[in-house]
Amino acid sequence: DIVLTQSPGTLSLSPGDRATLSCRASQSVRSSHLAWYQQKPGQAPRLLMYTASSRATGIPDRFSGSGSGTDFTLTISRLEPEDYAVYFCQQYSSSPAIFTFGPGTKVDMK
Amino acid sequence: QLLLQESGPGLVKPLETLSLTCTVSGGSIRSDSFYWGWLRQSPGKGLEWIGSIYSSGASYSNPSLKSRLIMSVDTSKSQFSLRLTSVTAADTAVYYCARRGRVDSYNWDSWGQGTQVLVSS
Repeated sequence: DIVLTQSPGTLSLSPGDRATLSCRASQSVRSSHLAWYQQKPGQAPRLLMYTASSRATGIPDRFSGSGSGTDFTLTISRLEPEDYAVYFCQQYSSSPAIFTFGPGTKVDMK
Repeated sequence: QLLLQESGPGLVKPLETLSLTCTVSGGSIRSDSFYWGWLRQSPGKGLEWIGSIYSSGASYSNPSLKSRLIMSVDTSKSQFSLRLTSVTAADTAVYYCARRGRVDSYNWDSWGQGTQVLVSS
């Protein structure tokens, strides 16, 4: 199975800062199979990005995604107070058919 | 607006069967455009995909849970369900139901609020 590793584990930043979150896969992942989610305490994960670089409905353009192969990045250009949360990457592989998630990166306020 | 709502007991005894139901509103569970799924989250294992089911009843599941998992769908009630047999403490988690697109879609775009399940005697 493909294992996803996220770094850093915690990112301490101030409002207005740029956040760069990394997701690394143990094997190559198709970009079309890579997604990012945001989760706030007590809430379900919320889809942010799909196909590695497409924003989900209602997601502001300060969020962007990039990458290919085994290395993917989620960037938040200027942190807003509502962006402090945990971010997960997720991949799908077809053999065997399975979805797996990374352990998450927590973005907290410096 | 699509809403998914999980329901079921919050406490299950070890070796018994965990049963959860997800009720879908604001959209049709019969739509051939979507898969419906179960995921869970625990401090120890993080987020874990459990399985997916289509309106026809066709399903596929995480190989690590396949031997203990039964999923079903009742389109007349707009519900789909999960049964996980022989549970242990490792099955303690928040369980979510969710939706994903069926064609060229490999992400979960709508989630229920989640329901906490504790496995304990």
